[in-house]
Amino acid sequence: SQTIHQWPATLVQPVGSPLSLECTVEGTSNPNLYWYRQAAGRGLQLLFYSVGIGQISSEVPQNLSASRPQDRQFILSSKKLLLSDSGFYLCAWSGWIAKNIQYFGAGTRLSVL
Amino acid sequence: DAKTTQPPSMDCAEGRAANLPCNHSTISGNEYVYWYRQIHSQGPQYIIHGLKNNETNEMASLIITEDRKSSTLILPHATLRDTAVYYCIVSFRGETSGSRLTFGEGTQLTVNP
Repeated sequence: SQTIHQWPATLVQPVGSPLSLECTVEGTSNPNLYWYRQAAGRGLQLLFYSVGIGQISSEVPQNLSASRPQDRQFILSSKKLLLSDSGFYLCAWSGWIAKNIQYFGAGTRLSVL
Repeated sequence: DAKTTQPPSMDCAEGRAANLPCNHSTISGNEYVYWYRQIHSQGPQYIIHGLKNNETNEMASLIITEDRKSSTLILPHATLRDTAVYYCIVSFRGETSGSRLTFGEGTQLTVNP
C-alpha cells in the first residue's frame, strides 16, 4: 500500500534561518506531489505541485521554493525564513488521473520566532 | 472552480447520523463534489466524491440534489472519532493541469457523547 512520510513533525526556527522540509512517498510510481500551508485556524493554501522529476509549479509568489530530485521525493526550502512563514505544512500525493483524490502526510508544524 | 458555502459548525450526538450540507450553486456540468475531513493537527483525509449520482462508501454517503446546486455528506452513525473539520470542494476531476483542490473554511463537526 502507499504511504507518505513527512519530517520533522515540529520545527522551531529563528527568523532569517534556512528551511528544508522533506516528503517521501512509498508504494507508487510517478505520483503528483503537492505542498500546502495552513495558517492557524484557516483553510489550506496550495504552494507548489509537481507532475514529475524537476517539474515544479508555484501557485503563490513567496519566500519558499520546492524541488523534486527523485520521483517520490519532494522538498520544500527557504533560504531565509520570515515570521509569516509560520504554519502547518502538508505534503500530499495523487495519481495521474484522479488528481483531486489526494493523500496527505501528517504535516510539519513550523514556528518562526 | 465553483465556490462552496458550508455552515461554520455543527453538533451531533454520538451514534446518530451527521448530515453536513454544502451549497455550490455555481457548479458547472463537469465539476465534481469532493469531501475531505481534517482531524485536529492531522493532514486532511479524502472521504468521497461524486458528479451527479448519490455515492456511498465505507466512510460516508454523498447525496447530490438533482440540480447539483447543493449536496449533503452523511455519516450514518457518528462516533467521537468523527469530530473534525469537513471540507466540501467543487472541482474538475483532475485530468487537466488546471484542476485544483481549493480548501475553504469547512464545517467543524463536533460529536458529543
